[in-house]
Amino acid sequence: GQQLNQSPQSMFIQEGEDVSMNCTSSSIFNTWLWYKQDPGEGPVLLIALYKAGELTSNGRLTAQFGITRKDSFLNISASIPSDVGIYFCAGRYSWGKLQFGAGTQVVVTP
Amino acid sequence: DTGVSQNPRHKITKRGQNVTFRCDPISEHNRLYWYRQTLGQGPEFLTYFQNEAQLEKSRLLSDRFSAERPKGSFSTLEIQRTEQGDSAMYLCASSLKDSPGEPEKLFFGSGTQLSVL
Repeated sequence: GQQLNQSPQSMFIQEGEDVSMNCTSSSIFNTWLWYKQDPGEGPVLLIALYKAGELTSNGRLTAQFGITRKDSFLNISASIPSDVGIYFCAGRYSWGKLQFGAGTQVVVTP
Repeated sequence: DTGVSQNPRHKITKRGQNVTFRCDPISEHNRLYWYRQTLGQGPEFLTYFQNEAQLEKSRLLSDRFSAERPKGSFSTLEIQRTEQGDSAMYLCASSLKDSPGEPEKLFFGSGTQLSVL
């Protein structure tokens, strides 16, 4: 089963608003990855984080690796309609498999 | 297209039948992962290979599931005697382990959607 708690489960926002979501783990991770998934497609990698406290941006996306190494945050600024989708956090302790959160469904209304 | 390729995209089968899915990873990637995803959930790890060696299998993986990567390139996932509970999206991902200065990142294919009737 999954050990990551991702919240919120869903978000309904207006175009132009900022979006924030987070993920917490009961275990320490050395890597956090954030993915976006569209219906019927596989997850697409957005941002990868490798150091505690690291803050990384990819366009309007910003993600942070929590200092405790048990959490991570993703922010989307000035949302646009194509930001619609499901966002997943994923973490790894050492090497090999990633553990995924249950996802945050983002809906953007004009 | 040099991404991860999965075939077929969709598979409908009757309960009790065997099915096989194929994954072609990004060509230089030495690691290949299989995940399963059900509606409303994140991907769940099944198994992974480094080159042709299967390094880990999930404890949740039934004996009816088997995966191979015979030449360290493409991989197949077979499900024998399918059950309705096997209905899910089966995702393949690949990565390049130990790329100098570049920690491991997984890149996913579009998945195979399995429906067991």
